[in-house]
Amino acid sequence: EAGVTQFPSHSVIEKGQTVTLRCDPISGHDNLYWYRRVMGKEIKFLLHFVKESKQDESGMPNNRFLAERTGGTYSTLKVQPAELEDSGVYFCASSQGSGARAFFGQGTRLTVV
Amino acid sequence: GQQVMQIPQYQHVQEGEDFTTYCNSSTTLSNIQWYKQRPGGHPVFLIQLVKSGEVKKQKRLTFQFGEAKKNSSLHITATQTTDVGTYFCAGPSARQLTFGSGTQLTVLP
Repeated sequence: EAGVTQFPSHSVIEKGQTVTLRCDPISGHDNLYWYRRVMGKEIKFLLHFVKESKQDESGMPNNRFLAERTGGTYSTLKVQPAELEDSGVYFCASSQGSGARAFFGQGTRLTVV
Repeated sequence: GQQVMQIPQYQHVQEGEDFTTYCNSSTTLSNIQWYKQRPGGHPVFLIQLVKSGEVKKQKRLTFQFGEAKKNSSLHITATQTTDVGTYFCAGPSARQLTFGSGTQLTVLP
């Protein structure tokens, strides 16, 4: 069974540019989460999809971040325009049910310079 | 909203010593999950506890879920260098899976 895959694994962009991260969850997992970990600190929740609907986006820092999950399959997280403080590792996770164990992707390491 | 707190934030132990991390939730949980993230890696699920007062063991790791289902602990007996990493607890709500702040474990050989 394929795991959660994220693309790209690394991205280095300049401040003001746009970056789009992609996450392919495990097939059949309705729940998809985006998290961010900055400088080895806590895993900060960004948002939660159930199928194509946003269940909770209370963790999104501001309107420079836009997440989509068209068709309830893969998801994208776009940062536009990127700022220095957006640097960190962005993790995607999926689960079969809300509250069930989460399977994480390898993460995308975003560096904004 | 739900908050999940973990202590300590960092722990350095000598190889062979024991290690414990504690997790507290501001709300009663339906279950508590534990994850481990190795340096440079991604969080990997370790275990899920569901019942009040539940205790589960995985080799040298012992997990406990409090009677009130608001706190949990992970205890590692006789740590090894392979135990290095950050240990996170996570508690689900209807809207999200909230992670604790994590305990970063360093094991000195």
